[in-house]
Amino acid sequence: KNEVEQSPQNLTAQEGEFITINCSYSVGISALHWLQQHPGGGIVSLFMLSSGKKKHGRLIATINIQEKHSSLHITASHPRDSAVYICAVKPSGGGADGLTFGKGTHLIIQP
Amino acid sequence: NAGVTQTPKFRILKIGQSMTLQCTQDMNHNYMYWYRQDPGMGLKLIYYSVGAGITDKGEVPNGYNVSRSTTEDFPLRLELAAPSQTSVYFCASGGTVYSNQPQHFGDGTRLSIL
Repeated sequence: KNEVEQSPQNLTAQEGEFITINCSYSVGISALHWLQQHPGGGIVSLFMLSSGKKKHGRLIATINIQEKHSSLHITASHPRDSAVYICAVKPSGGGADGLTFGKGTHLIIQP
Repeated sequence: NAGVTQTPKFRILKIGQSMTLQCTQDMNHNYMYWYRQDPGMGLKLIYYSVGAGITDKGEVPNGYNVSRSTTEDFPLRLELAAPSQTSVYFCASGGTVYSNQPQHFGDGTRLSIL
């Protein structure tokens, strides 16, 4: 069974700090997704990656396929980054079924 | 550009009632999904569709039904509501030719069964 584990579950930091959220998974995948869920509940896709590294503004996502591990980094964190960050994977095999999700990391950035 | 639209946003049902959660997308995606999110748990796949007329079960399909008569619409039906179906439901779409694409999520439907 595919498991997606995120750490930490909860993280509180001060504005400006460098943030790292980790994701580990147990099976081969074709892609890994990082999603952001705001307090209002909506979910937004941040990154989809299958190798290497992607950057968008202050957000950086990396993946190590051999180690089955991904990290999401936030540089110069800001209170508006407060949200739940969710890691999800698409198992390899070519099927069209949906993603397998981690439980999320609840991030609070204090001013 | 509306993306994925879900209605209603909130609903309270009594045990045994039925209802349909609506989902529509305007991105011409063939792949559409229904997930439920329970407190402290990751989202779980209920049903998915790879195109009009084609649907398949996900991880937790019991108590639900879906249909896909058009590319745009993917409604989720609860026939006999049970307290265990209290959850937040998300519809998502992603991909026209390939399923391995970023998914676009609706704003969710918060459903309580009392």
